[in-house]
Amino acid sequence: DVKVTQSSRYLVKRTGEKVFLECVQDMDHENMFWYRQDPGLGLRLIYFSYDVKMKEKGDIPEGYSVSREKKERFSLILESASTNQTSMYLCASSLGLGDGYTFGSGTRLTVV
Amino acid sequence: GQQVMQIPQYQHVQEGEDFTTYCNSSTTLSNIQWYKQRPGGHPVFLIQLVKSGEVKKQKRLTFQFGEAKKNSSLHITATQTTDVGTYFCAGNYGNKLVFGAGTILRVKS
Repeated sequence: DVKVTQSSRYLVKRTGEKVFLECVQDMDHENMFWYRQDPGLGLRLIYFSYDVKMKEKGDIPEGYSVSREKKERFSLILESASTNQTSMYLCASSLGLGDGYTFGSGTRLTVV
Repeated sequence: GQQVMQIPQYQHVQEGEDFTTYCNSSTTLSNIQWYKQRPGGHPVFLIQLVKSGEVKKQKRLTFQFGEAKKNSSLHITATQTTDVGTYFCAGNYGNKLVFGAGTILRVKS
Protein backbone atom coordinates (compact mmCIF):
# COMPACT_ATOMS: atom_id res chain seq x y z
CA ASP A 1 0.00 0.00 0.00
CA VAL A 2 1.06 3.54 -0.71
CA LYS A 3 2.00 5.37 2.39
CA VAL A 4 1.93 9.13 2.80
CA THR A 5 3.60 10.28 5.98
CA GLN A 6 3.22 13.72 7.50
CA SER A 7 5.91 14.59 9.98
CA SER A 8 3.72 15.99 12.75
CA ARG A 9 0.23 15.13 13.92
CA TYR A 10 -0.17 18.26 16.04
CA LEU A 11 1.70 21.56 15.95
CA VAL A 12 1.32 24.77 17.92
CA LYS A 13 3.11 27.82 16.56
CA ARG A 14 3.17 31.50 17.35
CA THR A 15 1.95 34.25 15.05
CA GLY A 16 4.74 35.38 12.73
CA GLU A 17 6.74 32.16 12.93
CA LYS A 18 7.89 30.40 9.78
CA VAL A 19 6.36 26.94 9.75
CA PHE A 20 7.42 23.89 7.76
CA LEU A 21 5.07 20.96 7.19
CA GLU A 22 6.72 17.91 5.71
CA CYS A 23 5.17 15.14 3.64
CA VAL A 24 6.83 12.00 2.29
CA GLN A 25 5.36 9.30 0.05
CA ASP A 26 6.93 5.94 -0.60
CA MET A 27 5.45 4.74 -3.89
CA ASP A 28 7.12 6.86 -6.51
CA HIS A 29 4.01 8.92 -7.21
CA GLU A 30 4.41 11.79 -9.64
CA ASN A 31 1.85 14.10 -8.11
CA MET A 32 1.65 15.56 -4.64
CA PHE A 33 -0.83 17.96 -3.10
CA TRP A 34 -1.40 20.10 -0.06
CA TYR A 35 -4.95 20.75 1.17
CA ARG A 36 -6.37 22.43 4.20
CA GLN A 37 -9.57 21.20 5.75
CA ASP A 38 -11.90 23.43 7.72
CA PRO A 39 -15.40 22.61 9.05
CA GLY A 40 -18.08 23.37 6.50
CA LEU A 41 -15.55 24.25 3.79
CA GLY A 42 -14.35 20.79 2.84
CA LEU A 43 -10.89 20.36 1.40
CA ARG A 44 -9.30 23.31 -0.34
CA LEU A 45 -6.24 22.97 -2.52
CA ILE A 46 -3.27 25.11 -1.54
CA TYR A 47 -0.55 23.92 -3.93
CA PHE A 48 0.26 20.88 -5.98
CA SER A 49 3.25 19.49 -7.80
CA TYR A 50 3.37 17.11 -10.74
CA ASP A 51 7.13 16.75 -10.92
CA VAL A 52 10.29 17.47 -8.99
CA LYS A 53 10.93 21.21 -8.71
CA MET A 54 7.55 21.92 -10.33
CA LYS A 55 4.71 23.57 -8.44
CA GLU A 56 1.31 24.96 -9.26
CA LYS A 57 -0.94 27.23 -7.22
CA GLY A 58 -4.19 25.82 -6.04
CA ASP A 59 -7.26 27.73 -4.95
CA ILE A 60 -5.85 29.32 -1.79
CA PRO A 61 -2.07 29.76 -2.15
CA GLU A 62 -1.81 33.13 -0.38
CA GLY A 63 0.46 32.99 2.64
CA TYR A 64 1.94 29.63 1.64
CA SER A 65 4.80 28.35 -0.45
CA VAL A 66 6.00 24.84 -1.29
CA SER A 67 9.16 22.98 -2.10
CA ARG A 68 9.70 19.75 -3.97
CA GLU A 69 13.40 19.03 -4.23
CA LYS A 70 12.94 15.25 -4.33
CA LYS A 71 10.16 13.20 -5.84
CA GLU A 72 9.09 11.65 -2.58
CA ARG A 73 8.99 14.82 -0.49
CA PHE A 74 6.67 17.82 -0.69
CA SER A 75 6.98 20.56 1.90
CA LEU A 76 4.46 23.25 2.74
CA ILE A 77 5.83 26.49 4.16
CA LEU A 78 3.90 29.13 6.02
CA GLU A 79 6.10 32.17 5.58
CA SER A 80 4.67 34.07 8.55
CA ALA A 81 2.02 32.11 10.39
CA SER A 82 -1.25 33.86 11.19
CA THR A 83 -4.20 32.79 13.31
CA ASN A 84 -6.38 32.31 10.23
CA GLN A 85 -4.02 29.55 9.15
CA THR A 86 -5.11 27.43 12.10
CA SER A 87 -6.43 24.33 10.35
CA MET A 88 -6.00 20.67 9.51
CA TYR A 89 -3.41 20.28 6.73
CA LEU A 90 -3.59 17.21 4.56
CA CYS A 91 -0.95 16.01 2.13
CA ALA A 92 -1.88 13.64 -0.69
CA SER A 93 -0.22 11.91 -3.61
CA SER A 94 -1.37 10.21 -6.79
CA LEU A 95 0.25 8.23 -9.54
CA GLY A 96 -1.45 10.15 -12.34
CA LEU A 97 -3.45 13.37 -12.33
CA GLY A 98 -6.70 11.49 -12.88
CA ASP A 99 -6.04 8.78 -10.31
CA GLY A 100 -7.33 8.44 -6.76
CA TYR A 101 -5.41 10.24 -4.06
CA THR A 102 -3.74 8.72 -1.03
CA PHE A 103 -3.84 11.06 1.93
CA GLY A 104 -1.56 11.37 4.91
CA SER A 105 -2.95 11.38 8.44
CA GLY A 106 -2.93 15.17 8.57
CA THR A 107 -1.27 17.84 10.69
CA ARG A 108 -3.49 19.87 12.97
CA LEU A 109 -1.83 23.26 13.18
CA THR A 110 -2.80 25.83 15.77
CA VAL A 111 -1.40 29.34 15.47
CA VAL A 112 -1.59 31.35 18.66
CA GLY B 1 -13.69 28.63 -10.71
CA GLN B 2 -14.91 25.07 -10.71
CA GLN B 3 -17.18 24.08 -7.88
CA VAL B 4 -18.74 20.85 -6.76
CA MET B 5 -21.90 21.19 -4.71
CA GLN B 6 -22.70 18.34 -2.35
CA ILE B 7 -25.92 17.75 -0.44
CA PRO B 8 -27.05 17.17 2.19
CA GLN B 9 -24.50 18.67 4.55
CA TYR B 10 -25.54 16.37 7.34
CA GLN B 11 -27.72 13.29 7.76
CA HIS B 12 -28.63 11.32 10.84
CA VAL B 13 -30.24 7.93 10.13
CA GLN B 14 -31.43 4.96 12.10
CA GLU B 15 -29.30 1.86 11.66
CA GLY B 16 -30.77 -0.17 8.80
CA GLU B 17 -32.09 2.86 6.91
CA ASP B 18 -30.72 3.87 3.54
CA PHE B 19 -28.59 6.94 2.91
CA THR B 20 -27.83 8.95 -0.22
CA THR B 21 -25.53 11.89 -0.90
CA TYR B 22 -25.51 13.89 -4.12
CA CYS B 23 -22.94 15.92 -5.99
CA ASN B 24 -23.43 18.44 -8.77
CA SER B 25 -21.05 20.32 -11.00
CA SER B 26 -21.94 23.19 -13.32
CA THR B 27 -19.46 21.92 -15.91
CA THR B 28 -18.61 18.51 -17.32
CA LEU B 29 -16.22 16.40 -15.30
CA SER B 30 -13.42 14.15 -16.56
CA ASN B 31 -14.28 11.77 -13.76
CA ILE B 32 -15.61 11.81 -10.24
CA GLN B 33 -14.09 10.24 -7.17
CA TRP B 34 -15.57 9.39 -3.79
CA TYR B 35 -13.79 9.39 -0.45
CA LYS B 36 -14.73 8.47 3.10
CA GLN B 37 -13.29 10.14 6.18
CA ARG B 38 -13.91 8.47 9.52
CA PRO B 39 -14.17 10.75 12.57
CA GLY B 40 -10.63 11.81 13.50
CA GLY B 41 -9.22 10.22 10.36
CA HIS B 42 -8.16 11.26 6.91
CA PRO B 43 -9.99 10.86 3.58
CA VAL B 44 -9.70 7.41 2.06
CA PHE B 45 -10.29 6.83 -1.64
CA LEU B 46 -13.34 4.65 -2.33
CA ILE B 47 -13.91 4.66 -6.07
CA GLN B 48 -13.60 6.52 -9.35
CA LEU B 49 -16.29 6.82 -12.03
CA VAL B 50 -15.27 7.75 -15.55
CA LYS B 51 -17.96 6.85 -18.05
CA SER B 52 -21.23 8.61 -18.65
CA GLY B 53 -24.04 6.78 -16.83
CA GLU B 54 -21.62 4.49 -15.03
CA VAL B 55 -22.83 2.54 -12.00
CA LYS B 56 -20.49 0.73 -9.64
CA LYS B 57 -21.16 -1.24 -6.48
CA GLN B 58 -19.07 -2.02 -3.45
CA LYS B 59 -21.08 -4.29 -1.16
CA ARG B 60 -23.83 -2.01 0.23
CA LEU B 61 -22.52 1.11 -1.55
CA THR B 62 -23.77 2.07 -5.01
CA PHE B 63 -22.10 4.87 -6.96
CA GLN B 64 -23.61 6.52 -10.03
CA PHE B 65 -22.26 9.00 -12.56
CA GLY B 66 -24.81 11.05 -14.49
CA GLU B 67 -25.31 10.82 -18.22
CA ALA B 68 -24.02 14.36 -18.72
CA LYS B 69 -21.05 13.71 -16.39
CA LYS B 70 -22.10 16.64 -14.21
CA ASN B 71 -23.60 14.83 -11.25
CA SER B 72 -23.07 11.79 -9.12
CA SER B 73 -24.56 9.99 -6.15
CA LEU B 74 -23.52 7.57 -3.45
CA HIS B 75 -26.22 5.36 -1.97
CA ILE B 76 -25.72 3.16 1.07
CA THR B 77 -28.26 0.40 1.62
CA ALA B 78 -29.12 -0.61 5.18
CA THR B 79 -26.63 1.58 7.00
CA GLN B 80 -24.48 0.19 9.78
CA THR B 81 -22.65 1.98 12.59
CA THR B 82 -19.41 1.35 10.72
CA ASP B 83 -20.66 3.65 7.94
CA VAL B 84 -20.37 6.78 10.10
CA GLY B 85 -18.10 9.48 8.77
CA THR B 86 -17.95 12.17 6.13
CA TYR B 87 -18.37 11.24 2.50
CA PHE B 88 -16.74 13.51 -0.05
CA CYS B 89 -17.16 13.59 -3.78
CA ALA B 90 -14.36 15.10 -5.83
CA GLY B 91 -14.78 16.25 -9.40
CA ASN B 92 -11.85 15.98 -11.74
CA TYR B 93 -11.60 18.90 -14.15
CA GLY B 94 -8.72 17.60 -16.22
CA ASN B 95 -5.74 18.28 -14.02
CA LYS B 96 -7.36 19.34 -10.79
CA LEU B 97 -9.55 17.60 -8.27
CA VAL B 98 -12.17 19.78 -6.60
CA PHE B 99 -13.78 18.41 -3.47
CA GLY B 100 -17.35 18.89 -2.39
CA ALA B 101 -17.93 20.08 1.16
CA GLY B 102 -18.87 16.58 2.25
CA THR B 103 -21.89 14.90 3.83
CA ILE B 104 -21.59 13.93 7.47
CA LEU B 105 -23.37 10.65 8.18
CA ARG B 106 -24.36 9.67 11.71
CA VAL B 107 -26.03 6.32 12.40
CA LYS B 108 -28.20 5.68 15.44
CA SER B 109 -28.11 2.12 16.69
